[in-house]
Amino acid sequence: AQTVTQSQPEMSVQEAETVTLSCTYDTSENNYYLFWYKQPPSRQMILVIRQEAYKQQNATENRFSVNFQKAAKSFSLKISDSQLGDTAMYFCAFMSYSGNTGKLIFGQGTTLQVKP
Amino acid sequence: GAVVSQHPSWVICKSGTSVKIECRSLDFQATTMFWYRQFPKQSLMLMATSNEGSKATYEQGVEKDKFLINHASLTLSTLTVTSAHPEDSSFYICSAYRGGNSPLHFGNGTRLTVT
Repeated sequence: AQTVTQSQPEMSVQEAETVTLSCTYDTSENNYYLFWYKQPPSRQMILVIRQEAYKQQNATENRFSVNFQKAAKSFSLKISDSQLGDTAMYFCAFMSYSGNTGKLIFGQGTTLQVKP
Repeated sequence: GAVVSQHPSWVICKSGTSVKIECRSLDFQATTMFWYRQFPKQSLMLMATSNEGSKATYEQGVEKDKFLINHASLTLSTLTVTSAHPEDSSFYICSAYRGGNSPLHFGNGTRLTVT
């Protein structure tokens, strides 16, 4: 069974600085997707970034980038030039290719506080 | 972009009554919808997977008679919390999936308070 682990329950960063959120996962599959979701105080789930496991190139979306290390089963999220609006809970998630079920396995979440 | 509407956004009900939560995909047909429960400052816990026209698949530990799921069309799934008790108070979120490599789209969630 797949598992996703986020070992940092809470983190804080000063506005305009860079922060990295950690995520590791466990799977025996070779093809899968990895995601980072953001959940601000409104509790809306917002997709931040997605990575396909077969792609070696790390995904990037504006100030958000990932460091995907497939062999190490690590998928960290880097937020550059942190903004107050980045304050949220961040979830790492895994989705298998198999069967196209759409089933997401979430990590425990990391609460990020951006300080002015 | 794809939109999922979840209604109501919040509801207060009395213990022993039932409450229905709707999840609609507004601009796409969802092959699968998922229902999650989330406690404060915790992760999303998958309750069940719902496919149109078939019975929902419940995760271990989730009472199917307590949490009734109906997926009558490719755009609508409902979660009914039957005979609600205060311990059912929580935040419930749905998501819709249209298959392939498309991402999941989440509703805005429903905050249920049982008094």
